[in-house]
Order: sequence, then structure tokens, then C-alpha cells
Amino acid sequence: KNQVEQSPQSLIILEGKNCTLQCNYTVSPFSNLRWYKQDTGRGPVSLTIMTFSENTKSNGRYTATLDADTKQSSLHITASQLSDSASYICVVSATSGTYKYIFGTGTRLKVLA
Amino acid sequence: DTAVSQTPKYLVTQMGNDKSIKCEQNLGHDTMYWYKQDSKKFLKIMFSYNNKELIINETVPNRFSPKSPDKAHLNLHINSLELGDSAVYFCASSHGSNTGELFFGEGSRLTVL
Repeated sequence: KNQVEQSPQSLIILEGKNCTLQCNYTVSPFSNLRWYKQDTGRGPVSLTIMTFSENTKSNGRYTATLDADTKQSSLHITASQLSDSASYICVVSATSGTYKYIFGTGTRLKVLA
Repeated sequence: DTAVSQTPKYLVTQMGNDKSIKCEQNLGHDTMYWYKQDSKKFLKIMFSYNNKELIINETVPNRFSPKSPDKAHLNLHINSLELGDSAVYFCASSHGSNTGELFFGEGSRLTVL
């Protein structure tokens, strides 16, 4: 069964600190993995996409990694800011099947001043 | 220029009423979706339309009826509203293959009293 699990469920850190969010998946056949950021009261917005051949990709202070062998991805946030407070959702796409987007349950990050 | 816009943003109504949520995208995408986000923030697919044709209907009660007058619009009509329908409903769109980036609207918060 295609599944995406994220950890931790929630996280509280102090402003300026780094943090890492995890995403494990069992989606097959794999197409790509995206991390979305959802601010409170807003729709999710894509941060980064990882394809099978990519190990690391950065978008400003956000760095995503992908290990296709162990089917794990991480999102590392460097020097966190208050505006990083949001839910982060891992979405894995399959290359076959009627519906190809498998959503994780998200990690809620709270950055405190 | 809003890419995916949905109205209304907030909707408060009594049990048993019928209500509609409208969605429009100006991205030229040919696939549109409705998602329901519950209190635990999990995004669950409800419907998907490709070029005005229904391709996914995920065991949603038939009180929910999507309508796509053209590929830029996907509206959601809900009959006989129940308390359990209270949630945030997100419209989204993507290009072609169903593995592309999802672009979400800002959400419509439905509260059934």
C-alpha cells in the first residue's frame, strides 16, 4: 500500500536554530517527492521537488535530501525564522495509478522568539 | 494575480442547508482537484477532474457534487449539510501528467452548526 509517514508530528524550536523534518515513503513506482509549506489559514505551497536521481536540493534556507534506496527524505531548515512557523507536508507522486499524489500527515513547526 | 482562487473563504451555515464553493484557476492547467482538510490537518483527495471529466471520486457521499463547466473551473456543491462536513476545503490544479506541482487555493472554511 502506498503510504507517506512524517516525523515528528510537531516541533517547537527557538528562532535561529536549525531543524530537520523526516519523510518516509512506500510509494511505488516512484516519480517524485515534493515538500510543501502550509502557513496557517493558507493553501500549501511547493518548496522543492526531488526526483529519483537527485540527492540534495536547496531553496534558500531550506535543503531537501532524498535517499531513493531507503525511501527517505528530509527537509532541513537553517537559521529558522518566525515565518518558518507552518505545517510542512511531504507529497510523493507515483508514476502509475489513477491518483498519483500520496500525502503525508505533515509536521507542524513552531518557531519561538 | 491569483493563480487558484476559491470563494467564499468562510462559510457558516445550518445543518440541512445546501451550499456551493467555487474555484477558478488561471494557470492553463487541465487537471483540478478538491481536497478536504480535517482538524488534524490531513489533506484528503475528494475529486479530480481532467479536461472537465471526472477521473477520481474518493468514496465521497453523494451529497457532494462537483461540477466543471470548463477546465478552468471546478465548483463543489454540497446538499443536506451535516456537522461532519465542517472542514477546510481546498481547490488545487496541476498540469497534465498528475505528477506535476499542485497549486492550491487559499481554502474555504466551512462551519456547519
